[in-house]
Amino acid sequence: GDSVTQMEGPVTLSEEAFLTINCTYTATGYPSLFWYVQYPGEGLQLLLKATKADDKGSNKGFEATYRKETTSFHLEKGSVQVSDSAVYFCALSDREGNYQLIWGAGTKLIIKP
Amino acid sequence: GAGVSQSPSNKVTEKGKDVELRCDPISGHTALYWYRQSLGQGLEFLIYFQGNSAPDKSGLPSDRFSAERTGGSVSTLTIQRTQQEDSAVYLCASSPLRTPSSEAFFGQGTRLTVV
Repeated sequence: GDSVTQMEGPVTLSEEAFLTINCTYTATGYPSLFWYVQYPGEGLQLLLKATKADDKGSNKGFEATYRKETTSFHLEKGSVQVSDSAVYFCALSDREGNYQLIWGAGTKLIIKP
Repeated sequence: GAGVSQSPSNKVTEKGKDVELRCDPISGHTALYWYRQSLGQGLEFLIYFQGNSAPDKSGLPSDRFSAERTGGSVSTLTIQRTQQEDSAVYLCASSPLRTPSSEAFFGQGTRLTVV
């Protein structure tokens, strides 16, 4: 079945460092890909998405490119801030079935001032 | 407008008791999903509603779990004879459309602890 694998955390960085959180997927079809973020004490919210190969999703300085050839959707940010500390989830939604999201395990990001 | 609302936010129950978890989706959203998030793990799909019907119940972990949705709006997830392994955060999400690229809007979840 479909699955999502993302790098284990926690990831600890200093402010203004470059961030990469790896995400790879397995899917039989052509899924849509998402990054969701959960800030401390808040609910999950969509960070960015991409719906087809080579699309780039971006929001709040974060970017991720849908790479079909490597089945990847890595999350990047050029200069992180303390306020980016959160748990980040990679997910896919297949074009078959109920379109429920298939989730990675989440990566906790800690940014130190 | 208001986001997805879930209640209670926290629930502690004794093993063997029944619990009901409530989800109030965003008005007008036809798709509603329940997920379970166990400690240190990703989200596990439980059930999906389109309107009031639940075409896919395959994610429910056992027959102790059931869910309903009335009036195309509020949904309740019921767990009967709770077990300690049911302890988790139960998340509800709604979407305006049933498409693979639709954003899911999440509530803050109900943290269930079975003692």
